Amino acid sequence: DTEVTQTPKHLVMGMTNKKSLKCEQHMGHRAMYWYKQKAKKPPELMFVYSYEKLSINESVPSRFSPECPNSSLLNLHLHALQPEDSALYLCASSPGLGSYEQYFGPGTRLTVT
Amino acid sequence: RKEVEQDPGPFNVPEGATVAFNCTYSNSASQSFFWYRQDCRKEPKLLMSVYSSGNEDGRFTAQLNRASQYISLLIRDSKLSDSATYLCVTGRTGANNLFFGTGTRLTVIP
Repeated sequence: DTEVTQTPKHLVMGMTNKKSLKCEQHMGHRAMYWYKQKAKKPPELMFVYSYEKLSINESVPSRFSPECPNSSLLNLHLHALQPEDSALYLCASSPGLGSYEQYFGPGTRLTVT
Repeated sequence: RKEVEQDPGPFNVPEGATVAFNCTYSNSASQSFFWYRQDCRKEPKLLMSVYSSGNEDGRFTAQLNRASQYISLLIRDSKLSDSATYLCVTGRTGANNLFFGTGTRLTVIP
């Protein structure tokens, strides 16, 4: 089973709202990732977790706050977003860091109004 | 210089055609290579890993040239369902993430 699940599928939020995106995998993978993807662009890495510890923060604004409650779950907390943050947010997992293939969830399509 | 470079296309080909995509990578320490497929408004899905000896999966053939730092994907007998964006991706030990090309858009025309 190479499934990564994400909820919600779609989210519309105002600039003063607080919301969370959720991601889950049951493949026993030790690395999990958040990406942001704009139309016609490749995924852009935001955060990397390895063994539940934050490994990379690609200079993401503090209005995005990741959390890894356990090895299967990854959350992305959103607060005071801007309209330009509207994008597809993808979660991925891999057996480990480095050169392993990554498996992506279906994404959350976020619209900030 | 970008870690992975691809021709963005678009490639518009008739059904049944053979089409080839190329990709170059800049870091000689790269040691894993993949092609992902991404349909419109969907997530990237792993199409195939690319091995030094080259590998084939049905109508798809991937090749790696380490000396030239070049990766290719060949699709034979194109189907309408092959229409998608194809992402060239590399990885290397010591890096904490994979490196994505910008993707090549393919449209197969009836």
